[in-house]
Amino acid sequence: QKEVEQDPGPLSVPEGAIVSLNCTYSNSAFQYFMWYRQYSRKGPELLMYTYSSGNKEDGRFTAQVDKSSKYISLFIRDSQPSDSATYLCAMSAGGSQGNLIFGKGTKLSVKP
Amino acid sequence: GAGVSQSPRYKVAKRGQDVALRCDPISGHVSLFWYQQALGQGPEFLTYFQNEAQLDKSGLPSDRFFAERPEGSVSTLKIQRTQQEDSAVYLCASSLVAFSNIQYFGAGTRLSVL
Repeated sequence: QKEVEQDPGPLSVPEGAIVSLNCTYSNSAFQYFMWYRQYSRKGPELLMYTYSSGNKEDGRFTAQVDKSSKYISLFIRDSQPSDSATYLCAMSAGGSQGNLIFGKGTKLSVKP
Repeated sequence: GAGVSQSPRYKVAKRGQDVALRCDPISGHVSLFWYQQALGQGPEFLTYFQNEAQLDKSGLPSDRFFAERPEGSVSTLKIQRTQQEDSAVYLCASSLVAFSNIQYFGAGTRLSVL
């Protein structure tokens, strides 16, 4: 079992839909949780960054972390065709372990 | 520059050839990471530099992989005697401070080994 599990999809939704993406993890030492967006043939771009448990909102994006369940989510409201990309969750224990542990990524397609 | 720059963007190598991949991080960034992303997978950590010091190379898959950052800015990832299983996108990321989780990625180098 990998440290971080993420359903690869693909996920297809109509424009304007609410999208829910999630990851589970097994390492209780993880404290930092990130969501990256990766367009085809591009590098990952940081979308959301959360420390420990709780919610964080930025425009149409909301990130949630539930450390007790080892479960994180990203919600996208009013999805747009430009949101079509692969979404990667990433985690880190922090400290001297700055490297990120990524999920496989979920491929999202938003249809006009 | 404005972001992390990687070159070449695409590299085709014959099996057994040596390759060198370059990363130019954001100016002033202390930390530099290399990741390997296989097709349909998330990036996997290879190695970490803090300035010129290579502090973690636990993710390098074999002794054919070697990375350096001699002056604490540009980094090179070298793969000797390439194998087909080395085919992947190699991503470089930099961050402003040591051990930072907030990492900025380049577009990657897509390596195909024939």
